[in-house]
Amino acid sequence: DAGVIQSPRHEVTEMGQEVTLRCKPISGHNSLFWYRQTMMRGLELLIYFNNNVPIDDSGMPEDRFSAKMPNASFSTLKIQPSEPRDSAVYFCASSLSGANEKLFFGSGTQLSVL
Amino acid sequence: ELKVEQNPLFLSMQEGKNYTIYCNYSTTSDRLYWYRQDPGKSLESLFVLLSNGAVKQEGRLMASLDTKARLSTLHITAAVHDLSATYFCAVSQEYGNQFYFGTGTSLTVIP
Repeated sequence: DAGVIQSPRHEVTEMGQEVTLRCKPISGHNSLFWYRQTMMRGLELLIYFNNNVPIDDSGMPEDRFSAKMPNASFSTLKIQPSEPRDSAVYFCASSLSGANEKLFFGSGTQLSVL
Repeated sequence: ELKVEQNPLFLSMQEGKNYTIYCNYSTTSDRLYWYRQDPGKSLESLFVLLSNGAVKQEGRLMASLDTKARLSTLHITAAVHDLSATYFCAVSQEYGNQFYFGTGTSLTVIP
């Protein structure tokens, strides 16, 4: 299995631009999570999906952030418009819920908003 | 919201020494996970602890869980440089599927 696949690995953009991060979970996993990691705030859960349905998006910082999961094998996290304070590493993780299964993390997207 | 606290936040230790990292959490849970993150890399699962008194060991690392005290420990025996990394504990609530991560402990093993 290829594991959780995220793209792009690095993204550099200018303030005000739209940014889209992509994630392909492990096949067969039914839960998908988006985390943001910064030095100041550590690992923050932004949103998680179960069976493609958003269950908890209370961690999404503002309306500028949105996430979708149109099918079991793909999710996006979009920031529009982006701001410098959005600069962080964004991780996607997946798991098989209901079985005490651990999270499997992707390699992350390093986002820099100038 | 479930709170997860780790201490220490930073740990510098000499090779060959022993030390323990502590993970406290605020509400009832019997699912505790330990992860390792190398600089610039993703998180890698180390241990899954699913019941009170659970103990898991791999190499120089041993993790334990006390659900009554809401405490997990990660014990390092005879540290080596390769163990230098940031270690996170995470707790999953009894109902639901959110994973809450601790602040992380940055471990540096000095030759």
